Amino acid sequence: GDSVTQMEGPVTLSEEAFLTINCTYTATGYPSLFWYVQYPGEGLQLLLKATKADDKGSNKGFEATYRKETTSFHLEKGSVQVSDSAVYFCASGGSEKLVFGKGTKLTVNP
Amino acid sequence: DAGVIQSPRHEVTEMGQEVTLRCKPISGHDYLFWYRQTMMRGLELLIYFNNNVPIDDSGMPEDRFSAKMPNASFSTLKIQPSEPRDSAVYFCASSVVLSWANEKLFFGSGTQLSVL
Repeated sequence: GDSVTQMEGPVTLSEEAFLTINCTYTATGYPSLFWYVQYPGEGLQLLLKATKADDKGSNKGFEATYRKETTSFHLEKGSVQVSDSAVYFCASGGSEKLVFGKGTKLTVNP
Repeated sequence: DAGVIQSPRHEVTEMGQEVTLRCKPISGHDYLFWYRQTMMRGLELLIYFNNNVPIDDSGMPEDRFSAKMPNASFSTLKIQPSEPRDSAVYFCASSVVLSWANEKLFFGSGTQLSVL
């Protein structure tokens, strides 16, 4: 079945550092890809998405590009802030269900 | 809009007891989902409803788990009897339509369940 694998955390960075969280997927067909973010004490919320190969999703300074050749959708941000501290989930949405990765906890220190 | 509302936020119970988790979806959303989050397995879909009707319950781990949606604004997930391995965060989510490839899910804040 479809699956999503993302880098295990936790990830700890200093403010203004560059962030990459790796995500790869396996799926039949060509799913849409998502990044959700979970801030402390809250539910998940959609951060960005891409629906086809080579699409780039972006929001709040975060970006991710749908790479069909490497089946990847890595999340990047050029300069993280303390307020970006959260758990980030990669997800794949195909014809049958939305599959989530296990999440990567990011802590940004001032 | 108040968003998806779950209660309680935290539940601590003893093994063998019945546990009931509650969810109020966003008004106008026809789809409601129950997810379970654990360190080992991540986020798993347990069951989802369309217009109050269960559509796919293949993720429900065993007969001890049951879910109902008596009306468009309320759903419950019940565990009876509860076991320590049921300890997890349970999320409810809702959406307007069902398109796994496009639709954005709106999640509640979750219920942290601890079974001792």
